[in-house]
Amino acid sequence: DQQVKQNSPSLSVQEGRISILNCDYTNSMFDYFLWYKKYPAEGPTFLISISSIKDKNEDGRFTVFLNKSAKHLSLHIVPSQPGDSAVYFCAGDSGNTPLVFGKGTRLSVIA
Amino acid sequence: DTGVSQDPRHKITKRGQNVTFRCDPISEHNRLYWYRQTLGQGPEFLTYFQNEAQLEKSRLLSDRFSAERPKGSFSTLEIQRTEQGDSAMYLCASSWYRGEAFFGQGTRLTVV
Repeated sequence: DQQVKQNSPSLSVQEGRISILNCDYTNSMFDYFLWYKKYPAEGPTFLISISSIKDKNEDGRFTVFLNKSAKHLSLHIVPSQPGDSAVYFCAGDSGNTPLVFGKGTRLSVIA
Repeated sequence: DTGVSQDPRHKITKRGQNVTFRCDPISEHNRLYWYRQTLGQGPEFLTYFQNEAQLEKSRLLSDRFSAERPKGSFSTLEIQRTEQGDSAMYLCASSWYRGEAFFGQGTRLTVV
């Protein structure tokens, strides 16, 4: 069973516009969510996180929104830059078990 | 400390051979995780340690896989009698208890 779902395998956005990456989860025990970014042939790098007691967390160009009732979170990147082109993974953390990852969304930012 | 280090970065082996990978975590981190990633998938959990204790193993981890973390420092992941289906990127990560896990660059295994 997929506890974390990223239903869009890919997304293309023009440079300077907003990128919105979506993630849905089914495990109600998740109380912390993380986004990772991965370039080819490298390990994932931590990007931004959000606790379930918040509905928004912002860090520079990156903002994560959490809608607990819908079990949905999204990552907004504004403005998008070509260097943002990568695969983005959403992960859920319940504290008692290791991070559970979605399958990822490949973002392409077109100059 | 420059982060999580994995060795080797790439490994090509013949089917049936044994392989061993090493991971050196961030020194102050007490948790160490092994994940596997194949094309089009996210990282899939294999096993994790808290200090030297192996706390959980995924059902993905067949009997051919074994992991150790002696003295709660570095960790090794061994795959015995490799199969073509074992070809993947093996990722190691570490954290201080829960929260952000920091990943190494991975070991790409190709079984031919």
